[in-house]
Amino acid sequence: DSGVTQTPKHLITATGQRVTLRCSPRSGDLSVYWYQQSLDQGLQFLIQYYNGEERAKGNILERFSAQQFPDLHSELNLSSLELGDSALYFCASSGSGLRGEQYFGPGTRLTVT
Amino acid sequence: SQQGEEDPQALSIQEGENATMNCSYKTSINNLQWYRQNSGRGLVHLILIRSNEREKHSGRLRVTLDTSKKSSSLLITASRAADTASYFCATAPNAGGTSYGKLTFGQGTILTVHP
Repeated sequence: DSGVTQTPKHLITATGQRVTLRCSPRSGDLSVYWYQQSLDQGLQFLIQYYNGEERAKGNILERFSAQQFPDLHSELNLSSLELGDSALYFCASSGSGLRGEQYFGPGTRLTVT
Repeated sequence: SQQGEEDPQALSIQEGENATMNCSYKTSINNLQWYRQNSGRGLVHLILIRSNEREKHSGRLRVTLDTSKKSSSLLITASRAADTASYFCATAPNAGGTSYGKLTFGQGTILTVHP
């Protein structure tokens, strides 16, 4: 158990809908990262927050947004969903060393039908 | 896009044998990390090697890094059936700015260890 929690574990929704994925980092970790894993694209970095502020951005679509709250939990919002958004979404957290190891949650499996 | 390429894509061995996986990357890095993923589950951090290190050990794991060739290898000695998983290398960039904190993952090697 990494100490990172993600909810929900599974999500099935229709095209055009909007969903919110939630992540709670390990106790004391200030950085939260979001990744998308799909068969064709592999593991892609989406976005990073550090203590409430956006720090790094990757291949995140404009339809996707994220935020980190004062209690350090983070949410990833996916809107106008398309079939191609079906994937595993992982959250990870890390401590004070921003280029150190990351601890991954169990993921949310999103299926868009 | 993936920075790293891993080789081989799949590896099948018997228990007790050693498994070697290779990773190549393209840009300057601060560190390189290896992760394990059991089918459909979260990634587990295995080991981190910094750009100024050449070799690192952790239990049955040995990682090497050659920054001149932009490559790394992960050796698992005396493998066990429980080592069956996908193994990914991930690089942390040397650049600051918007790349800060971003890990770029390779495509992964699927390791199967037969009992």
